[in-house]
Amino acid sequence: DAKTTQPTSMDCAEGRAANLPCNHSTISGNEYVYWYRQIHSQGPQYIIHGLKNNETNEMASLIITEDRKSSTLILPHATLRDTAVYYCIVRGNTGGFKTIFGAGTRLFVKA
Amino acid sequence: GAVVSQHPSWVICKSGTSVKIECRSLDFQATTMFWYRQFPKQSLMLMATSNEGSKATYEQGVEKDKFLINHASLTLSTLTVTSAHPEDSSFYICSAWGAVNEKLFFGSGTQLSVL
Repeated sequence: DAKTTQPTSMDCAEGRAANLPCNHSTISGNEYVYWYRQIHSQGPQYIIHGLKNNETNEMASLIITEDRKSSTLILPHATLRDTAVYYCIVRGNTGGFKTIFGAGTRLFVKA
Repeated sequence: GAVVSQHPSWVICKSGTSVKIECRSLDFQATTMFWYRQFPKQSLMLMATSNEGSKATYEQGVEKDKFLINHASLTLSTLTVTSAHPEDSSFYICSAWGAVNEKLFFGSGTQLSVL
């Protein structure tokens, strides 16, 4: 079973920040939080990952709570092309760990 | 950046035939690859974990004789759907773990339609 829970869907206005929450209350000490997104009929695209510190890259920011039981993915200026299903995943950072997908959050960016 | 190439992108076949899907890591070595299937408007469902040079580990409910996985090299894994039937029609996606980047990279997926 997936170790994360996310809202089913969210709306965001174009140009505004999109904040996507994720709960992972059973996360283990060696597990990272990864975010991927999937646009219709394509393979998932990597966005960002982190262990306990907040992370930022050219696509997004990842905020992880101090107790690591939840996190938030932030798309600072959402565009229509950011409409996708966003998946929050927890896994260890070596190849042997399985990657189980939950239902994800369907983000609709509206003009 | 690291790329995973999946081929073919789509395939239509007759019931009873076998279909092979290839997954290649183009610029990194992948000791572990994963295969998923996805039905419309559903999430990805893990089918099996494939380690180079050893037998794949299948998830509960996935028929290993139906879905043959081979991971003969560090850059190639194949999924063969044997004796395909219409209920096997689905979107199949592979992924490869890149140890250098600590990331899982995904192929673009294969849409299989069995008539």
